Amino acid sequence: EAQVTQNPRYLITVTGKKLTVTCSQNMNHEYMSWYRQDPGLGLRQIYYSMNVEVTDKGDVPEGYKVSRKEKRNFPLILESPSPNQTSLYFCASSLSFSGGQTSTDTQYFGPGTRLTVL
Amino acid sequence: GENVEQHPSTLSVQEGDSAVIKCTYSDSASNYFPWYKQELGKRPQLIIDIRSNVGEKKDQRIAVTLNKTAKHFSLHITETQPEDSAVYFCAATHTGGFKTIFGAGTRLFVKA
Repeated sequence: EAQVTQNPRYLITVTGKKLTVTCSQNMNHEYMSWYRQDPGLGLRQIYYSMNVEVTDKGDVPEGYKVSRKEKRNFPLILESPSPNQTSLYFCASSLSFSGGQTSTDTQYFGPGTRLTVL
Repeated sequence: GENVEQHPSTLSVQEGDSAVIKCTYSDSASNYFPWYKQELGKRPQLIIDIRSNVGEKKDQRIAVTLNKTAKHFSLHITETQPEDSAVYFCAATHTGGFKTIFGAGTRLFVKA
């Protein structure tokens, strides 16, 4: 089954304790992205990756790191989490990113990771 | 910076009525406008999208219109049903850029 998976789905942690949220897709998608969702703010892009070893900042990258060593995986790393990073996180992938030229831009979202930083 | 404004933030309609959600974008280079539906506790899912070379697109009870001059686009849902109750997000992106900018979302309630 074609899907995007995230782990863990729920995480409660404390300030400063490094954590990684994994994202994996089995659709051979080139483009992957991380978003955070907060009430009243919609989905805000954290980082995105156009392909292996190619990543760039979205609108809210501060406090986050990513890597793309393999095509299928795109982990989100919080080196020193803070309470303002408490949020619902979504990973998404698309076949490619043509900026709207083709239907390959459709993004498929993972199930979400609810993170609480105390 | 690039911005997408979405209105209203909450919309309540009677079953069978129509619902309209409007979005305005700031980046004139934007040329792809997807709409996502997010049911409670679930992930966003694409319901319809439109590209800048098209003014309107329809898929059964859902339609999207685009006015590039005014830089706004709208989602129209006709004959609403209780299962249409969800949060709807508009988004904008453009060729040459790799970012997707989302609106803040509209919570739609369809009363039976």
